[in-house]
Amino acid sequence: QVQLQESGPGLVKSSQTLSLTCSVSGGSISSVSSYWSWIRQPAGKGLEWIGRVYTSGGTNYKASLKSRVSISLDASKNTFSLKLSSVTAADTAVYYCARGIADQSFWFDPWGQGTLVTVSS
Amino acid sequence: SYVLTQPPSVSVAPGETATITCAENNIGNKNVHWYQQKPGQAPVLVVYDDSDRPSGIPERFSGSKSGNTATLTITRAEAGDEADYYCQVWDNSSDHLVVFGGGTKLTV
Repeated sequence: QVQLQESGPGLVKSSQTLSLTCSVSGGSISSVSSYWSWIRQPAGKGLEWIGRVYTSGGTNYKASLKSRVSISLDASKNTFSLKLSSVTAADTAVYYCARGIADQSFWFDPWGQGTLVTVSS
Repeated sequence: SYVLTQPPSVSVAPGETATITCAENNIGNKNVHWYQQKPGQAPVLVVYDDSDRPSGIPERFSGSKSGNTATLTITRAEAGDEADYYCQVWDNSSDHLVVFGGGTKLTV
């Protein structure tokens, strides 16, 4: 079955760019109806969707993050990536990658294990 | 904006039935999905499209929707069900697109 694994620096300096990669195994990132997504969760808080990329490269982002976010896909490596610029302490969170399934609606299954990113001053 | 309201906490005795609600005025027009998140772990999908269960999820987990409220029901609750539960919808009529509820801590 499809499995996802996040990777990237666990510590990012304030004002710099956070970069994470999600490796997909057990299936093709070019799968129809799959939207590859990033979701984050600050410690002790709820889930926040960041955005998604489709196999065509098309993207959608949460409106409040749109000016700072870029999600891209590399089909040759079966990976997709997140870049979040101008980070602050408020961006400290566990970052999850997930497969989004678009049918009548849109949901996430499965999720990666998550990776903690801390923004330091 | 679209806000999904969940109770912060729900308690249930082992073997009893737990109900977790997710409310919003227009939820009847949306498909609701539910996730279970145990401490230190990633969320796991337990119900999608209001009431469908992914393979591998026990039949004890079920979803329903009526009026302005969606409900996740867990029958014969077990200690292993203790977790945070989140509802989620897709709202392509707003800038938010994906909306999660605030989460409910289930104590068994």
